[in-house]
Amino acid sequence: AQTVTQSQPEMSVQEAETVTLSCTYDTSENNYYLFWYKQPPSRQMILVIRQEAYKQQNATENRFSVNFQKAAKSFSLKISDSQLGDTAMYFCAFMRNYGQNFVFGPGTRLSVLP
Amino acid sequence: DTEVTQTPKHLVMGMTNKKSLKCEQHMGHRAMYWYKQKAKKPPELMFVYSYEKLSINESVPSRFSPECPNSSLLNLHLHALQPEDSALYLCASSQERGDSSYSSGNTIYFGEGSWLTVV
Repeated sequence: AQTVTQSQPEMSVQEAETVTLSCTYDTSENNYYLFWYKQPPSRQMILVIRQEAYKQQNATENRFSVNFQKAAKSFSLKISDSQLGDTAMYFCAFMRNYGQNFVFGPGTRLSVLP
Repeated sequence: DTEVTQTPKHLVMGMTNKKSLKCEQHMGHRAMYWYKQKAKKPPELMFVYSYEKLSINESVPSRFSPECPNSSLLNLHLHALQPEDSALYLCASSQERGDSSYSSGNTIYFGEGSWLTVV
């Protein structure tokens, strides 16, 4: 069975600074997908970024980028130029290839401070 | 703006009531999901429909009854719920694997959720 760990329950960062959220996972599979989802106080789950395990290149999406280390089973999220609207719960999620369900991590609550 | 629409956004019901949560998507996705989320916890999968057939039921109590009338609609019928069933219920959808013309792969798109309070 797969597991996802997020070791930082809460983090804070000053506006305009950079913050990195950590995520590690455990799987015996070789092909899979990794995701970061954001859930602001409005509670809608919003996709932030997605990484295919067979791609060596780290995914980027505007101010959001990941550091995917397949051998170490690590998938951290870097948020550059943090904005107040980035305040949210961030969930790391794993999905195996041809899977239909996520394994979510417990989440990291990020607060961006003015 | 979400392309998965859920109604109602808020629902308060008594333990003897029968109510339904509704979900609609127009992205051509063939897999639809119900998740339950308690405060400060990640979402927990309840049901998955694939091509309008129930493919995953995560041992959910029978007081929750899903229905998929067509590939765009997903309902969750609620009956005789308990106060501990109060939670945020999230609907989601994704393209099925195997369609090489679709690039989003396994990405799951969520609706805004329906807040359910059982009194």
